[in-house]
Amino acid sequence: DADVTQTPRNRITKTGKRIMLECSQTKGHDRMYWYRQDPGLGLRLIYYSFDVKDINKGEISDGYSVSRQAQAKFSLSLESAIPNQTALYFCATSDTTSSQETQYFGPGTRLLVL
Amino acid sequence: AQSVSQHNHHVILSEAASLELGCNYSYGGTVNLFWYVQYPGQHLQLLLKYFSGDPLVKGIKGFEAEFIKSKFSFNLRKPSVQWSDTAEYFCAVGAHSGYSTLTFGKGTMLLVSP
Repeated sequence: DADVTQTPRNRITKTGKRIMLECSQTKGHDRMYWYRQDPGLGLRLIYYSFDVKDINKGEISDGYSVSRQAQAKFSLSLESAIPNQTALYFCATSDTTSSQETQYFGPGTRLLVL
Repeated sequence: AQSVSQHNHHVILSEAASLELGCNYSYGGTVNLFWYVQYPGQHLQLLLKYFSGDPLVKGIKGFEAEFIKSKFSFNLRKPSVQWSDTAEYFCAVGAHSGYSTLTFGKGTMLLVSP
């Protein structure tokens, strides 16, 4: 969905480097999420934020941190990247004012850690 | 906690064949159910969703899904697939309460041969 953008779209980094993935949305949604996708494992939730002052760990938060700088922005950081963090990362948003809350996904960031 | 099981990791069909992808979930309460599709190189897009009411849900591109509460299932169907349906399909479940996240299945890769 073009209303959810992610930068960068592709990134190659080295083990031990700090890297930040950014997500922005123009949908006006209050909730934002970070997932990683690995072949055969589906999507797994890393962190989520139900509003600007709310941050929650997901299923696989170790090695990651997040920052919700504003309602529209939610960044994911890898403090010291390791090869098994090589994956496709997706940001998603949802709107609690809708009677049928649905998540909408960004285009993804493909990360390779050497 | 909820969990989702998708029965088939890979499905290969010829064009015009009928499709049924299985999805079972585990959760003790009322659920919201989703099917997402990921075309090659693209992000996840919503195919259809179930929140309440008619258990037979129709989505985009001729897809439908049936919620069978007694079987904890939400199978995806399409009477006649096309080559352009080649994609990975993800079932997801979330609790009906307002403070829920989604749990995704591991995905089913559908390959439709022309």
